[in-house]
Amino acid sequence: DIQMTQSPSSLSASVGDRVTISCRTSQSISTYLNWYQQKPGTAPKLLIYAASSLQSGVPSRFSGSGSGTDFTLTISSLQPEDFATYSCQQSYNIPYTFGQGTKLEIK
Amino acid sequence: QVQLVQSGAEVEKPGASVKVSCKASGNTFTDHYIHWVRQTPGQGLEWMGRINPISGDTKYAPNFQGRVTLTRDTPISTAYMELSNLRSDDTAVYHCVRDPGVLAFDPWGQGTLVTVSS
Repeated sequence: DIQMTQSPSSLSASVGDRVTISCRTSQSISTYLNWYQQKPGTAPKLLIYAASSLQSGVPSRFSGSGSGTDFTLTISSLQPEDFATYSCQQSYNIPYTFGQGTKLEIK
Repeated sequence: QVQLVQSGAEVEKPGASVKVSCKASGNTFTDHYIHWVRQTPGQGLEWMGRINPISGDTKYAPNFQGRVTLTRDTPISTAYMELSNLRSDDTAVYHCVRDPGVLAFDPWGQGTLVTVSS
C-alpha cells in the first residue's frame, strides 16, 4: 500500500494568513493526488483533484501543487469558514489511501 | 447534482453482520463507480472497495477482503455494503462516495454510524 504522510498534523493560524499543508507519498504517484476538507459532523468535501485542479464551486483561494511524491495544499488568505481538517488521498493505485489529516485551528 | 443518501445508524454485536444502503438521486447511478470509505478516530479514512454499477464488478481493499461485500440494485439506484464478522474496531462511520470520473471522491453520502458492542 502507498503510505501518505501529512505535515503538520495540526496548525494554528489567523484569518487572512497564507497556509500550506504538505503531503508526501511513499512512492511516486504522478499527479494522482486529491485534497479534502472536513468539518466536524459532516462528510469530507473534495477541494482539489489531480494535484492541482480546483473542484467546481471551491473558492480560488485554495490551490494545489506537486507531482511524484511531494504535494502541497495552499490557502492564500484564510477565511473563518476554512478552519477544518484537511486530508490528502492518492488514487494512483488500489487500495486508495488517505493521509492522517491536518487540523487547522484558529490562533 | 447527484446526492447519495445512506441508511440510518446501526448497533450490532461482535460476530454479527451489517448491511448499509446508499441511494443515489437523479438518473446517473450507472455513470460512475461507487466506493465505500470508513472513518474511525484511530485509523482515519480507510478505502474499503468499489463497485461498477453497470457490471457489478467489485474491487476490495486487502484489509477487508473476505469480510466485505459490495452489491447494487440498479433499478432503484441503490448500492449496498455488507460487513461480516464484526469486531469492536469496526465501530466507525461508513460513507458511500462516487467517483465522477476524475479518480476522486465526490459527492459523499452523509455517513452511517455502525457501533459494534456487546
